[in-house]
Amino acid sequence: GESVGLHLPTLSVQEGDNSIINCAYSNSASDYFIWYKQESGKGPQFIIDIRSNMDKRQGQRVTVLLNKTVKHLSLQIAATQPGDSAVYFCAENKGTGYSTLTFGKGTMLLVSP
Amino acid sequence: DAGVTQSPTHLIKTRGQQVTLRCSPKSGHDTVSWYQQALGQGPQFIFQYYEEEERQRGNFPDRFSGHQFPNYSSELNVNALLLGDSALYLCASSLRNTGELFFGEGSRLTVL
Repeated sequence: GESVGLHLPTLSVQEGDNSIINCAYSNSASDYFIWYKQESGKGPQFIIDIRSNMDKRQGQRVTVLLNKTVKHLSLQIAATQPGDSAVYFCAENKGTGYSTLTFGKGTMLLVSP
Repeated sequence: DAGVTQSPTHLIKTRGQQVTLRCSPKSGHDTVSWYQQALGQGPQFIFQYYEEEERQRGNFPDRFSGHQFPNYSSELNVNALLLGDSALYLCASSLRNTGELFFGEGSRLTVL
């Protein structure tokens, strides 16, 4: 069935490294993708989004890449900091309104000082 | 400016009971969506309310129902609780079903 999934359940990096979190999606009709960060005991926090007519978008220390050919989404975090430790989710929207998102299972990012 | 607020933060129920969770959207937002997040999983869309009506619904049984009030706040009701209903219930708000979703901290429900 339709799904949004992640390749790696846990990613461990050293402080200062660049981190890359990957996500595969299967619904070619999705037109909007978002990355969320969820810290323990908190709700998901918006990081960055990208629409299907783009292949790259940059924010502060984060970059999202979208490859529609292989239905792949990635989140790059530059100069990873201990405060970046959290679970990261990718989510997709299928054009039915931007509140109805399909989330992947998440990747835990662990940053060691 | 208050963000999305949810209550209660934690609660424990037994099988067969009913529960009501509450959500106040971020100031200026008029659309409320509810998500269920099981432990170790991503959030799953339950339903969305806009202009006091359920607009969209995910793959959840009729035991899950909701309401939106004129002040845009919302309730999620779950009847005949099952053990599998144990989860973090997240409320998210947005403006006119467009743009960024802002999530609350969630209500942690444990069903014994």
